[in-house]
Amino acid sequence: EDQVTQSPEALRLQEGESSSLNCSYTVSGLRGLFWYRQDPGKGPEFLFTLYSAGEEKEKERLKATLTKKESFLHITAPKPEDSATYLCAVSAGTASKLTFGTGTRLQVTL
Amino acid sequence: ETGVTQTPRHLVMGMTNKKSLKCEQHLGHNAMYWYKQSAKKPLELMFVYSLEERVENNSVPSRFSPECPNSSHLFLHLHTLQPEDSALYLCASSQDRGYGETQYFGPGTRLLVL
Repeated sequence: EDQVTQSPEALRLQEGESSSLNCSYTVSGLRGLFWYRQDPGKGPEFLFTLYSAGEEKEKERLKATLTKKESFLHITAPKPEDSATYLCAVSAGTASKLTFGTGTRLQVTL
Repeated sequence: ETGVTQTPRHLVMGMTNKKSLKCEQHLGHNAMYWYKQSAKKPLELMFVYSLEERVENNSVPSRFSPECPNSSHLFLHLHTLQPEDSALYLCASSQDRGYGETQYFGPGTRLLVL
């Protein structure tokens, strides 16, 4: 059974304090790894898709990387508006579904 | 309208009521999904539709009944729900029901069952 584990569960940063979120996965035949951002009471907002180990993608202060066992979402010099829950999900094998982790709740303070 | 829209955004219903959730995607996609998000739990896939045909049903109770009249619209009909069905219901779409396809989500319907 596909499994996705995200850590830490919650993270509090000061503005400008860079850090990384971890997503480790156990799947049979990875098709894609996805990062989403979710604000309270809203639907997940797509950030990145990664398909193979060694791949990296960047968007503003966010950078996602992928290895054969885990993915990192690096946040450089975060701002308060980066506060949200960040979700990791995988697509594997022949399944249509995305298997999600429980998310990392990020709070960035002034 | 752009992206994926859902109505209503909030819904309160009694256990004997019948209601429907509506989803519309404006992305020209061929696959649509219903997910359930409960507090402290990962998103759970409920149903998958590809080109208006239901292709997956992940052991969802029959009190949830999906309908996909065309590739842009998806409904979730609700009847005789239980309080534990209270959750955020999310609709998503992707270009195809392919493997590794990116899914785009709507804002969700927050459902409370009394």
